[in-house]
This record gives sequence, C-alpha cells and structure tokens, in this order.
Amino acid sequence: GAVVSQHPSRVICKSGTSVKIECRSLDFQATTMFWYRQFPKQSLMLMATSNEGSKATYEQGVEKDKFLINHASLTLSTLTVTSAHPEDSSFYICSATPIGGLGDTGELFFGEGSRLTVL
Amino acid sequence: AQSVTQLDSQVPVFEEAPVELRCNYSSSVSVYLFWYVQYPNQGLQLLLKYLSGSTLVKGINGFEAEFNKSQTSFHLRKPSVHISDTAEYFCAVTKGTSGTYKYIFGTGTRLKVLA
Repeated sequence: GAVVSQHPSRVICKSGTSVKIECRSLDFQATTMFWYRQFPKQSLMLMATSNEGSKATYEQGVEKDKFLINHASLTLSTLTVTSAHPEDSSFYICSATPIGGLGDTGELFFGEGSRLTVL
Repeated sequence: AQSVTQLDSQVPVFEEAPVELRCNYSSSVSVYLFWYVQYPNQGLQLLLKYLSGSTLVKGINGFEAEFNKSQTSFHLRKPSVHISDTAEYFCAVTKGTSGTYKYIFGTGTRLKVLA
C-alpha cells in the first residue's frame, strides 16, 4: 500500500529557532500534499495544501511566513516552523494522494505525525 | 461548504459490547465519506470509505458504516469491540477524489473499551 513517512517523529527546540519537518511519499508520487495541525484531544486542522512546483495554499488564519511549505519534488514536502514559540507546540501531520487522484481507493494516506515541543 | 459533526466526544463501552459512533455531515453537493482511526501519537489509518454503490460499507477490524443520504449520516458500528479498539475515531468528508480536494474532519470521538 501507499506509504507516507514523516521525519522527525519528535522534536524539541528552543524558542526562537526554526524547525523543519519532512513528509515523503515512499512508493508513489504526489502533486498535492496536505499539512494538518492537531492540538491535544482535538481534530485535525488543515493548515495548507502543498502543491508541487508552485506555492502552497494556506487556510485562513494560518501565517504563511510562520509556516513555510516547500513541495520540492513529487515525493517530498517540507514544513518549516520559523522562529518557533511555545504556542507552536503541537502534533503536525501530513497526508498525500497519488498523482491521478485517489481513483478507486478514495484514500488519503497519512504520515505518522511529528510532535513539536518548543521550550 | 461541507461540514462534519461527531456528536459524541467520548464513548465508553465494555469489551464485547456493540458500539455506534455517530457522524452527520452537511453539504450542498455529493460527497465522499470516510472513517479514520488514530492511535496515540500516530497518524491516521483508514477504516472504511463510501464513494458510491452499496450504502452499507464494511471496513477493517470488523467495523462497518451505513451511508444514509436522507439523514445525511454515516454512523460507524461494530458488533463486538475489543480492548484494542480503544482509539480516536474521525469522520471525514470530501467532495472529490481528484487528490486536490480538501478533506474536512469531524472533531473526533474517543472510544474507550473497558474490561
């Protein structure tokens, strides 16, 4: 089956530093990847849609200068949290669908998530 | 715009008892419906989906769901739960499967199976 991998799974950083999270589709190519943020015991909040070769589309209320998204290739999207602060601490999850859409599967494939803790 | 409502934030149930997790959606267009499960500190795993055809959908781990268009519902059921079913369950909707459509998630239902 399709596998999406995120790295790192956990990261702790000091306030003011930047953190990069990678999302890779291991056995398929994806023109579109989605980045979600999940607060404890809450649902997934879509942050942005990452488009290969073009700028990401951010959801309302998400600071694009704070959360930099780069979809450099058909198998890799990165989320960089710039000048991180404690309120940025959260669980970040990416997802992807194969090129050509979901077809008969209709499934969105998720990474394992990355827990960011900003001290 | 679509929206998803999961009325129950937590559902405790004893092992081997049946369970139903409720999901209602609203949309002005046809939608595709999904149930995902999330175990602690992990991503989401697809349980089942409704794209078209039979309204009764069977998924993994013995779960099933029924799409009811008139009631705009897609409730998840399992006749006999196990301790290992303890997890967070999310209902989701999207209006297309091209890969570019957004998925809208419900707020989640925490299923706790008691021994």
